[in-house]
Amino acid sequence: DQQVKQNSPSLSVQEGRISILNCDYTNSMFDYFLWYKKYPAEGPTFLISISSIKDKNEDGRFTVFLNKSAKHLSLHIVPSQPGDSAVYFCAANAGGTSYGKLTFGQGTILTVHP
Amino acid sequence: SAVISQKPSRDICQRGTSLTIQCQVDSQVTMMFWYRQQPGQSLTLIATANQGSEATYESGFVIDKFPISRPNLTFSTLTVSNMSPEDSSIYLCSVGRVGPDTQYFGPGTRLTVL
Repeated sequence: DQQVKQNSPSLSVQEGRISILNCDYTNSMFDYFLWYKKYPAEGPTFLISISSIKDKNEDGRFTVFLNKSAKHLSLHIVPSQPGDSAVYFCAANAGGTSYGKLTFGQGTILTVHP
Repeated sequence: SAVISQKPSRDICQRGTSLTIQCQVDSQVTMMFWYRQQPGQSLTLIATANQGSEATYESGFVIDKFPISRPNLTFSTLTVSNMSPEDSSIYLCSVGRVGPDTQYFGPGTRLTVL
């Protein structure tokens, strides 16, 4: 049972344009959602997160939107840069005693072309 | 953010042998987490390493196969025992910081079992 889904295995974007990465979840107990970027042979790098009491969180070029009723979140990167090319993972946890226990999506490979 | 180091960064092992992976964090943390990323897959939580008590394992993972030590608040080890080729994965250590919406990962240990 895949509780966190990233349905797009890959995304290709031109430099300077917006990248939109999507994530859906099924577990209504999830309270926190995190986005990670991962390069090959490296650990995931934490990018940005959002709690379920918010619908938007912004940090520089990265914005995460949460639609709780649709159980859907998205990560927007504006403007996209070639250095953003990596695998992006969406993750969720239920907070409380589940602190630290992340459920990950399958990842989306983002390629930003110069 | 947290500075997390892991040793070894990679290893190639023969089936039937065991490998111990070390994780060191730059400051004290209550809980440390061990994840696995099998080839082409997402990240999966193996267990939570608690200081002063036994580790708690997720469904599908057992102590005999993945014994964990947590001797202090900055260090943990994960042993992959009696390895088979199916254990070939990246093993990652993770810690939280401020709360459930912030979590960091180490660089990972890439294990290949022949």
